[in-house]
Amino acid sequence: QKEVEQNSGPLSVPEGAIASLNCTYSDRGSQSFFWYRQYSGKSPELIMFIYSNGDKEDGRFTAQLNKASQYVSLLIRDSQPSDSATYLCAVNDRGSTLGRLYFGRGTQLTVWP
Amino acid sequence: EAGVTQSPTHLIKTRGQQATLRCSPISGHTSVYWYQQALGLGLQFLLWYDEGEERNRGNFPPRFSGRQFPNYSSELNVNALELEDSALYLCASRLAGGTYEQYFGPGTRLTVT
Repeated sequence: QKEVEQNSGPLSVPEGAIASLNCTYSDRGSQSFFWYRQYSGKSPELIMFIYSNGDKEDGRFTAQLNKASQYVSLLIRDSQPSDSATYLCAVNDRGSTLGRLYFGRGTQLTVWP
Repeated sequence: EAGVTQSPTHLIKTRGQQATLRCSPISGHTSVYWYQQALGLGLQFLLWYDEGEERNRGNFPPRFSGRQFPNYSSELNVNALELEDSALYLCASRLAGGTYEQYFGPGTRLTVT
């Protein structure tokens, strides 16, 4: 059974701070990694994806991937109250890279003013 | 560009009945994925359809089934509903041509009483 583990949270940071969300995965062959944001009562929204080792930046978001350590993280700079949501880490199925995703249970982030 | 659409938004059924949920992918997307998000649980993969064919299914009983139509829209059927089927059912679509990103629709909230 492939596993995706995330900080159990909740994570609480002040406005303007950096929020750091972490995720580890069990399948060493996984190749694509995703971060989704899910507001309460809403569906997940894809905010970042990363396929190669290293960092990928998009605005205030940076995804970091270390395949050797089987670790992927999401940094949110200059956190805003509107960033308060549950963040889901997802990993592809090595056996079928275009197929299903395995999701972690999510980390709830609260950004307080 | 219109996103993934799902209908109905909410569905209330009684135990033993059948439910039909519908999904229209983003234009140009040929793969459709169904996930279940029950309260307190992570996203669980149900089914994957691509080019009209079922490519993979998750660890759910056969009373969960579906199909994909020639226009790439999809239908999820749940027979003999049980109370524990109450959940948010999410459809995601992926662009043809080997991209990995999946984009979710707003979901259908199914309540079984």
